[in-house]
Amino acid sequence: KNEVEQSPQNLTAQEGEFITINCSYSVGISALHWLQQHPGGGIVSLFMLSSGKKKHGRLIATINIQEKHSSLHITASHPRDSAVYICAASTGNQFYFGTGTSLTVIP
Amino acid sequence: NAGVTQTPKFRILKIGQSMTLQCTQDMNHNYMYWYRQDPGMGLKLIYYSVGAGITDKGEVPNGYNVSRSTTEDFPLRLELAAPSQTSVYFCASSYVLQTDTQYFGPGTRLTVL
Repeated sequence: KNEVEQSPQNLTAQEGEFITINCSYSVGISALHWLQQHPGGGIVSLFMLSSGKKKHGRLIATINIQEKHSSLHITASHPRDSAVYICAASTGNQFYFGTGTSLTVIP
Repeated sequence: NAGVTQTPKFRILKIGQSMTLQCTQDMNHNYMYWYRQDPGMGLKLIYYSVGAGITDKGEVPNGYNVSRSTTEDFPLRLELAAPSQTSVYFCASSYVLQTDTQYFGPGTRLTVL
């Protein structure tokens, strides 16, 4: 069993839709990270959170420590949001990554 | 700032050859990391460093070596390349180990034949 599980694996949405990507983890964490991997392969860090909620533009990340669950929400989705979204848990001196959610937003 | 740079972008090796993947950051970050990403799999931590002269193993260190002689550079050495090391390798850096944004390099796509 992987330490970090994401769902769904693949997601297709119409432009403008509200999107939710889920992440569950089984380890005690120092922080939970959300990353975006562009179609060209580059990886960008979106959020790092250890409690509560963070917002950046149309992106919102939440975490429930008791339930060991985090969600990434995208409001008013746009084709440029098409990418792979990766959840990662940092704990001790290790990082554990989910396999990613591939999002395609259709115009 | 260039951020995190990696060279080369692509490389093909024959089984048993060795090579060094270069990683440099210009953000004066203490922490640097090497990851590999296999198709359909999550990123795996190979090695990390908390500062010049200090390195430690991650989840999948076998077949690799690292060194950190300066704050800026964190090269990854592959000795006796094997097909199982075919992967995309990412270098990253951050100011703090666990609770800080990581900045990733563009990646090196390595094929071992």
